[in-house]
Amino acid sequence: NAGVTQTPKFQVLKTGQSMTLQCAQDMNHNSMYWYRQDPGMGLRLIYYSASEGTTDKGEVPNGYNVSRLNKREFSLRLESAAPSQTSVYFCASSGISLGTGELFFGEGSRLTVL
Amino acid sequence: AQSVSQHNHHVILSEAASLELGCNYSYGGTVNLFWYVQYPGQHLQLLLKYFSGDPLVKGIKGFEAEFIKSKFSFNLRKPSVQWSDTAEYFCAVNEGRDDKIIFGKGTRLHILP
Repeated sequence: NAGVTQTPKFQVLKTGQSMTLQCAQDMNHNSMYWYRQDPGMGLRLIYYSASEGTTDKGEVPNGYNVSRLNKREFSLRLESAAPSQTSVYFCASSGISLGTGELFFGEGSRLTVL
Repeated sequence: AQSVSQHNHHVILSEAASLELGCNYSYGGTVNLFWYVQYPGQHLQLLLKYFSGDPLVKGIKGFEAEFIKSKFSFNLRKPSVQWSDTAEYFCAVNEGRDDKIIFGKGTRLHILP
């Protein structure tokens, strides 16, 4: 049971570089999410997708783009990385629209922008 | 816009003490409520959730939470904490009308042996 798989687990970027975080879930969930976790700030929602083909902004979307490639995959792209984007990123999925609600998280991706 | 407030940022208790962590949310409509725990070096795990029905919800590891609609609160409780409860605890809210799930800033709980 893989659950939610996100890659890479670690990444170091220079300011201005771009990268994409990949996420895939095998639980047939409709909803997928990208959060960032910073000390003292909790988890902040970047973007979410309620279903294939739809995406919505969360609390902190600036500097990020997302793609819901299909029901399984939801990627997060940083077009021009900034030091303020140094964080731990979590992908999650949920069957919340089906009434189950629990978020299932990936292992996290630690990103450092120099 | 919905928001979630956790008033206690850092709590230190001795083993066997009782625990109550506060959580308030801002949305006035139908809500779904969650408490998650994050042990050091791990990702978040669900402790309990409220969707409807009995406002007193029991979760794993002896935790429970009470939904008080009039107070917009969903406080987490445990009668007797253990050293292994040392972790960070997050309250989360979903407005019933869409799939957005917002977290509070978390409460870091430290249990002294």
